[in-house]
Amino acid sequence: DQQVKQNSPSLSVQEGRISILNCDYTNSMFDYFLWYKKYPAEGPTFLISISSIKDKNEDGRFTVFLNKSAKHLSLHIVPSQPGDSAVYFCASGGFNKFYFGSGTKLNVKP
Amino acid sequence: EAQVTQNPRYLITVTGKKLTVTCSQNMNHEYMSWYRQDPGLGLRQIYYSMNVEVTDKGDVPEGYKVSRKEKRNFPLILESPSPNQTSLYFCASSPTSPPTYEQYFGPGTRLTVT
Repeated sequence: DQQVKQNSPSLSVQEGRISILNCDYTNSMFDYFLWYKKYPAEGPTFLISISSIKDKNEDGRFTVFLNKSAKHLSLHIVPSQPGDSAVYFCASGGFNKFYFGSGTKLNVKP
Repeated sequence: EAQVTQNPRYLITVTGKKLTVTCSQNMNHEYMSWYRQDPGLGLRQIYYSMNVEVTDKGDVPEGYKVSRKEKRNFPLILESPSPNQTSLYFCASSPTSPPTYEQYFGPGTRLTVT
Protein backbone atom coordinates (compact mmCIF):
# COMPACT_ATOMS: atom_id res chain seq x y z
CA ASP A 1 0.00 0.00 0.00
CA GLN A 2 1.76 3.10 -1.24
CA GLN A 3 1.47 5.94 1.22
CA VAL A 4 2.93 8.49 -1.19
CA LYS A 5 2.01 8.34 -4.87
CA GLN A 6 3.23 10.03 -7.99
CA ASN A 7 1.00 9.04 -10.88
CA SER A 8 2.97 10.64 -13.69
CA PRO A 9 6.14 8.69 -14.50
CA SER A 10 7.37 11.36 -16.87
CA LEU A 11 6.88 14.97 -17.91
CA SER A 12 8.34 16.89 -20.80
CA VAL A 13 8.30 20.69 -20.96
CA GLN A 14 9.93 23.40 -23.02
CA GLU A 15 12.68 25.52 -21.52
CA GLY A 16 11.25 28.66 -19.95
CA ARG A 17 7.81 27.15 -19.36
CA ILE A 18 6.33 25.99 -16.08
CA SER A 19 6.79 22.41 -14.86
CA ILE A 20 4.15 21.04 -12.50
CA LEU A 21 4.82 17.78 -10.70
CA ASN A 22 2.08 16.20 -8.63
CA CYS A 23 2.00 13.98 -5.58
CA ASP A 24 -0.76 12.40 -3.50
CA TYR A 25 -0.57 10.86 -0.04
CA THR A 26 -2.93 8.66 1.90
CA ASN A 27 -1.86 9.01 5.52
CA SER A 28 -3.57 11.98 7.16
CA MET A 29 -1.02 11.84 10.00
CA PHE A 30 1.73 13.08 7.68
CA ASP A 31 2.49 16.70 8.48
CA TYR A 32 5.74 17.45 6.68
CA PHE A 33 6.51 16.88 3.03
CA LEU A 34 9.71 17.05 1.04
CA TRP A 35 10.75 17.01 -2.59
CA TYR A 36 14.02 15.42 -3.65
CA LYS A 37 15.77 15.65 -6.96
CA LYS A 38 17.86 12.84 -8.40
CA TYR A 39 20.33 12.86 -11.26
CA PRO A 40 21.56 9.58 -12.79
CA ALA A 41 24.39 7.88 -10.87
CA GLU A 42 23.88 10.15 -7.85
CA GLY A 43 21.93 9.97 -4.63
CA PRO A 44 18.77 12.05 -4.16
CA THR A 45 19.29 15.60 -2.95
CA PHE A 46 16.85 17.69 -0.99
CA LEU A 47 15.04 20.38 -2.96
CA ILE A 48 12.24 21.96 -0.94
CA SER A 49 9.86 21.11 1.87
CA ILE A 50 6.56 22.22 3.33
CA SER A 51 4.90 21.89 6.69
CA SER A 52 1.19 21.13 6.96
CA ILE A 53 0.62 24.44 8.74
CA LYS A 54 1.36 26.14 5.42
CA ASP A 55 -0.21 25.79 2.01
CA LYS A 56 2.70 27.21 0.05
CA ASN A 57 6.47 27.41 0.29
CA GLU A 58 8.67 29.17 -2.20
CA ASP A 59 12.41 28.98 -2.85
CA GLY A 60 13.59 30.79 -5.93
CA ARG A 61 12.18 29.08 -9.00
CA PHE A 62 10.65 26.29 -6.94
CA THR A 63 7.28 26.47 -5.18
CA VAL A 64 5.50 23.68 -3.40
CA PHE A 65 1.76 23.81 -2.79
CA LEU A 66 -0.08 21.69 -0.25
CA ASN A 67 -3.80 20.91 -0.29
CA LYS A 68 -4.45 19.04 2.93
CA SER A 69 -8.12 18.37 2.31
CA ALA A 70 -7.26 16.67 -0.97
CA LYS A 71 -4.07 15.08 0.42
CA HIS A 72 -2.27 16.50 -2.57
CA LEU A 73 0.89 18.48 -3.12
CA SER A 74 2.52 19.86 -6.21
CA LEU A 75 5.91 21.24 -7.16
CA HIS A 76 6.05 24.15 -9.58
CA ILE A 77 9.27 25.07 -11.37
CA VAL A 78 9.22 28.44 -13.11
CA PRO A 79 10.95 28.99 -15.44
CA SER A 80 12.10 25.48 -16.22
CA GLN A 81 15.73 25.06 -17.30
CA PRO A 82 17.49 22.15 -19.04
CA GLY A 83 19.51 21.58 -15.85
CA ASP A 84 16.24 20.77 -14.06
CA SER A 85 16.00 17.55 -16.07
CA ALA A 86 16.06 14.85 -13.39
CA VAL A 87 13.81 12.49 -11.46
CA TYR A 88 11.78 14.19 -8.74
CA PHE A 89 10.51 12.33 -5.71
CA CYS A 90 8.02 13.55 -3.16
CA ALA A 91 8.34 12.08 0.31
CA SER A 92 6.89 12.10 3.77
CA GLY A 93 6.68 9.96 6.86
CA GLY A 94 6.11 9.65 10.55
CA PHE A 95 7.02 7.54 13.59
CA ASN A 96 10.60 7.34 12.31
CA LYS A 97 9.62 5.79 8.95
CA PHE A 98 9.91 7.50 5.63
CA TYR A 99 8.09 6.99 2.32
CA PHE A 100 8.90 8.08 -1.19
CA GLY A 101 6.71 8.32 -4.25
CA SER A 102 7.71 6.41 -7.37
CA GLY A 103 9.18 9.51 -8.97
CA THR A 104 8.51 11.70 -12.01
CA LYS A 105 11.18 12.02 -14.66
CA LEU A 106 11.26 15.61 -15.88
CA ASN A 107 12.75 16.42 -19.25
CA VAL A 108 13.22 20.11 -20.01
CA LYS A 109 13.83 20.62 -23.72
CA PRO A 110 16.07 23.48 -24.86
CA GLU B 1 33.23 18.00 3.34
CA ALA B 2 29.97 16.72 4.83
CA GLN B 3 29.06 13.49 3.12
CA VAL B 4 27.65 9.99 3.20
CA THR B 5 29.87 7.36 1.64
CA GLN B 6 28.95 3.88 0.49
CA ASN B 7 31.12 0.99 -0.61
CA PRO B 8 31.24 -0.71 -2.96
CA ARG B 9 29.53 1.37 -5.65
CA TYR B 10 28.99 -1.66 -7.85
CA LEU B 11 28.76 -5.31 -6.88
CA ILE B 12 27.95 -8.45 -8.82
CA THR B 13 27.58 -11.59 -6.74
CA VAL B 14 25.97 -15.01 -6.78
CA THR B 15 22.97 -16.32 -4.93
CA GLY B 16 23.70 -17.25 -1.33
CA LYS B 17 27.08 -15.56 -0.97
CA LYS B 18 27.00 -13.27 2.05
CA LEU B 19 27.86 -9.64 1.42
CA THR B 20 28.06 -6.35 3.30
CA VAL B 21 27.57 -2.86 1.93
CA THR B 22 29.17 -0.25 4.13
CA CYS B 23 27.80 3.22 4.88
CA SER B 24 29.53 6.00 6.76
CA GLN B 25 28.61 9.61 7.52
CA ASN B 26 30.81 12.37 8.91
CA MET B 27 28.06 14.75 10.10
CA ASN B 28 27.45 13.23 13.54
CA HIS B 29 23.88 12.45 12.52
CA GLU B 30 21.76 10.32 14.81
CA TYR B 31 19.36 8.92 12.22
CA MET B 32 20.52 6.62 9.43
CA SER B 33 18.55 4.58 6.95
CA TRP B 34 18.83 2.21 4.02
CA TYR B 35 16.63 2.34 0.92
CA ARG B 36 16.35 0.34 -2.25
CA GLN B 37 15.27 1.87 -5.53
CA ASP B 38 13.46 -0.24 -8.11
CA PRO B 39 11.83 0.86 -11.37
CA GLY B 40 8.28 2.06 -10.86
CA LEU B 41 8.51 1.71 -7.09
CA GLY B 42 10.62 4.66 -6.08
CA LEU B 43 12.73 4.34 -2.95
CA ARG B 44 11.56 1.96 -0.26
CA GLN B 45 12.92 1.97 3.25
CA ILE B 46 14.66 -1.23 4.36
CA TYR B 47 15.90 -0.47 7.88
CA TYR B 48 16.57 2.61 9.91
CA SER B 49 18.48 3.48 13.05
CA MET B 50 17.65 6.18 15.57
CA ASN B 51 21.06 5.97 17.26
CA VAL B 52 23.80 3.56 18.28
CA GLU B 53 22.38 0.11 19.00
CA VAL B 54 18.84 1.25 18.05
CA THR B 55 17.58 -0.18 14.77
CA ASP B 56 14.16 -1.01 13.39
CA LYS B 57 12.46 -2.35 10.28
CA GLY B 58 11.30 -0.18 7.44
CA ASP B 59 8.88 -1.23 4.75
CA VAL B 60 10.91 -4.00 3.08
CA PRO B 61 13.26 -5.57 5.67
CA GLU B 62 13.04 -9.22 4.57
CA GLY B 63 16.41 -10.69 3.65
CA TYR B 64 18.44 -7.86 5.16
CA LYS B 65 20.23 -7.18 8.43
CA VAL B 66 21.81 -4.04 9.82
CA SER B 67 23.90 -3.03 12.78
CA ARG B 68 24.79 0.30 14.40
CA LYS B 69 27.78 -0.18 16.66
CA GLU B 70 29.19 3.29 16.02
CA LYS B 71 27.33 6.49 15.31
CA ARG B 72 28.99 7.08 11.94
CA ASN B 73 28.59 3.59 10.44
CA PHE B 74 25.50 1.69 9.38
CA PRO B 75 26.34 -1.42 7.30
CA LEU B 76 23.73 -3.37 5.35
CA ILE B 77 24.17 -7.13 5.42
CA LEU B 78 22.70 -9.64 3.00
CA GLU B 79 23.40 -13.03 4.55
CA SER B 80 22.02 -15.07 1.65
CA PRO B 81 21.39 -12.79 -1.32
CA SER B 82 18.78 -13.76 -3.89
CA PRO B 83 18.11 -12.41 -7.40
CA ASN B 84 15.11 -10.38 -6.16
CA GLN B 85 17.56 -8.30 -4.13
CA THR B 86 19.12 -7.01 -7.33
CA SER B 87 18.57 -3.28 -6.93
CA LEU B 88 20.09 0.14 -6.40
CA TYR B 89 20.73 0.79 -2.71
CA PHE B 90 21.04 4.13 -0.95
CA CYS B 91 22.18 4.95 2.54
CA ALA B 92 21.01 8.20 4.11
CA SER B 93 21.48 10.15 7.32
CA SER B 94 19.82 13.10 9.06
CA PRO B 95 20.24 14.95 12.36
CA THR B 96 17.04 13.46 13.75
CA SER B 97 14.31 11.24 12.39
CA PRO B 98 12.60 12.46 9.22
CA PRO B 99 10.55 13.99 7.82
CA THR B 100 11.19 17.24 9.65
CA TYR B 101 14.83 17.27 8.65
CA GLU B 102 16.15 16.52 5.20
CA GLN B 103 18.15 13.37 4.71
CA TYR B 104 21.56 13.31 3.09
CA PHE B 105 22.07 10.44 0.68
CA GLY B 106 25.09 8.47 -0.37
CA PRO B 107 25.89 7.95 -4.07
CA GLY B 108 24.28 4.51 -4.24
CA THR B 109 25.40 0.89 -4.59
CA ARG B 110 24.23 -1.06 -7.60
CA LEU B 111 23.91 -4.71 -6.64
CA THR B 112 23.35 -7.56 -9.07
CA VAL B 113 22.65 -11.04 -7.73
CA THR B 114 22.87 -13.84 -10.30
